[in-house]
Amino acid sequence: NAGVTQTPKFQVLKTGQSMTLQCAQDMNHEYMSWYRQDPGMGLRLIHYSVGAGITDQGEVPNGYNVSRSTTEDFPLRLLSAAPSQTSVYFCASSLAGTSNNEQFFGPGTRLTVL
Amino acid sequence: RKEVEQDPGPFNVPEGATVAFNCTYSNSASQSFFWYRQDCRKEPKLLMSVYSSGNEDGRFTAQLNRASQYISLLIRDSKLSDSATYLCVVRTGTASKLTFGTGTRLQVTL
Repeated sequence: NAGVTQTPKFQVLKTGQSMTLQCAQDMNHEYMSWYRQDPGMGLRLIHYSVGAGITDQGEVPNGYNVSRSTTEDFPLRLLSAAPSQTSVYFCASSLAGTSNNEQFFGPGTRLTVL
Repeated sequence: RKEVEQDPGPFNVPEGATVAFNCTYSNSASQSFFWYRQDCRKEPKLLMSVYSSGNEDGRFTAQLNRASQYISLLIRDSKLSDSATYLCVVRTGTASKLTFGTGTRLQVTL
């Protein structure tokens, strides 16, 4: 199993450009989520999904869109990049439910917006 | 007030030392608690879950005090390889949604 994969690993954008960060998992996990990590802020939840066709907003959703057309994929779209979106983005997945299911993280995408 | 608070450190300790990290959380309805480990420029990985009765995994011991809304992690006989950032993580409400502390950095030296 590849686990959780993310592409690209690094990206530089200009202000106003749009792009999609890709995330895929091969563990048949129902739950997937996107976080951003900034110095001194910890990981903050952007959007999450409890299954194909279902998405919801997290703590910091503005400027980002998601969709979940399949169980495996959960892309994150930046609509019009801003310097404030410079961050490290992590995708994670886990089995759904209320038990203590471990969340598995991808290796991250380091995004710089100029 | 942040939902999950940790001392950012860094904690600089010699090899073989015992070190303890603390974490407090603000939502009394929080249901599950974890410690994750994050190496520099890598993704977080689950270190251990934290149970009310306390639990141990080798050199690592985790404790939960629900009355004080306080979580701890004790590392005994520190190794150089323990150098990392330790994230306190809490699950509250909707299944699988996690809230992360900002992390405590540990540096173990010779």
